[in-house]
Amino acid sequence: GQQLNQSPQSMFIQEGEDVSMNCTSSSIFNTWLWYKQDPGEGPVLLIALYKAGELTSNGRLTAQFGITRKDSFLNISASIPSDVGIYFCAGMNRDDKIIFGKGTRLHILP
Amino acid sequence: KAGVTQTPRYLIKTRGQQVTLSCSPISGHRSVSWYQQTPGQGLQFLFEYFSETQRNKGNFPGRFSGRQFSNSRSEMNVSTLELGDSALYLCASSLRAGGRYTQETQYFGPGTRLLVL
Repeated sequence: GQQLNQSPQSMFIQEGEDVSMNCTSSSIFNTWLWYKQDPGEGPVLLIALYKAGELTSNGRLTAQFGITRKDSFLNISASIPSDVGIYFCAGMNRDDKIIFGKGTRLHILP
Repeated sequence: KAGVTQTPRYLIKTRGQQVTLSCSPISGHRSVSWYQQTPGQGLQFLFEYFSETQRNKGNFPGRFSGRQFSNSRSEMNVSTLELGDSALYLCASSLRAGGRYTQETQYFGPGTRLLVL
């Protein structure tokens, strides 16, 4: 079945650093989505991408829909303490089936 | 405006038992989706209901079922529980249904944490 490989699994960074994470698949997706999950809460949608090559920003977050439609990346610039959490990518195919990556756990060192 | 509520928040069951989880969507939302989250498999889509009809389904066995009532509240049932069913079950409600529209307007509840012994 379809799978998403999300990397890295976890990241330890200093406050103020930029962060980059990505998702790859052997399958094509029509939509790429990025979520953030805080402890004890459900995921929250950060950015949605609908076209190959699309680059979309949401504040300090920027995400891109890969040209091949098989990958996507998320960048966070100038990280702050509240960026801590788990970030998930998700791909949606033309049958509206959604597949999630296993998440990138972001830690910010004091 | 109240968010998505899920009951119970925590549940312990034994193998072979069955369990029913409840989800109350945000007022005015007619679409409810269910997800299973485990450390090993991550987040996986179970099913989506809209106007009391199942409109989309993930790859889970028939032991997992759901339903939606006329007030949009939804229940999820798991029969013959297995150890591997231990997970956080998330419910999400959305204003619109249909692929990207569901995801764009979707709000998640805090989840029900199920432990199967």
